[in-house]
Amino acid sequence: DADVTQTPRNRITKTGKRIMLECSQTKGHDRMYWYRQDPGLGLQLIYYSFDVKDINKGEISDGYSVSRQAQAKFSLSLESAIPNQTALYFCATSDPRTNSQYFGPGTRLTVL
Amino acid sequence: QKEVEQDPGPLSVPEGAIVSLNCTYSNSAFQYFMWYRQYSRKGPELLMYTYSSGNKEDGRFTAQVDKSSKYISLFIRDSQPSDSATYLCAMSKTAGNKLTFGGGTRVLVKP
Repeated sequence: DADVTQTPRNRITKTGKRIMLECSQTKGHDRMYWYRQDPGLGLQLIYYSFDVKDINKGEISDGYSVSRQAQAKFSLSLESAIPNQTALYFCATSDPRTNSQYFGPGTRLTVL
Repeated sequence: QKEVEQDPGPLSVPEGAIVSLNCTYSNSAFQYFMWYRQYSRKGPELLMYTYSSGNKEDGRFTAQVDKSSKYISLFIRDSQPSDSATYLCAMSKTAGNKLTFGGGTRVLVKP
């Protein structure tokens, strides 16, 4: 089984709708991240969490919110989706001892 | 200007050639440097991890960091078609902290 899973894998929605993307991990890491990826822009950090009670904004948090329900679960919400939020979204966890980040398979989101 | 710059490519090479990839960065506080490989429709996977300046070798892969020039490189020897992917550099200021990524270079190794 994959260490980091994301649901859904693909989602098409309309402008103004509320969307939640979910992430679960079995690696036992405290640190979790949400990124979006657009062609040519690499990965941009949306939010990150170093433990269940610690939530931090990343570079591009406007229009997004997160919830850390447990050590293993970190969800990303788009309160009112807009077309320029169409992108590939990745969840990741990290091992603070090695600085290695482990990514999920991604969610492809299309906002019409 | 982005903190981390990376040529988007695509970089096309024949099988068996050496692939040379690089990133430049502007923030001298970066100390931890990584290379990730991303296949189409997949999440990035960690290839190489280096702390501070120097070289690191792992099989066909060699990572180099030159902090004085704010320049990092990844070399892939004896390239294979299976090396065709997007390669992303990433770096952080402290261990276990958030990463700053380059835009990625798409590599195509032709049989």
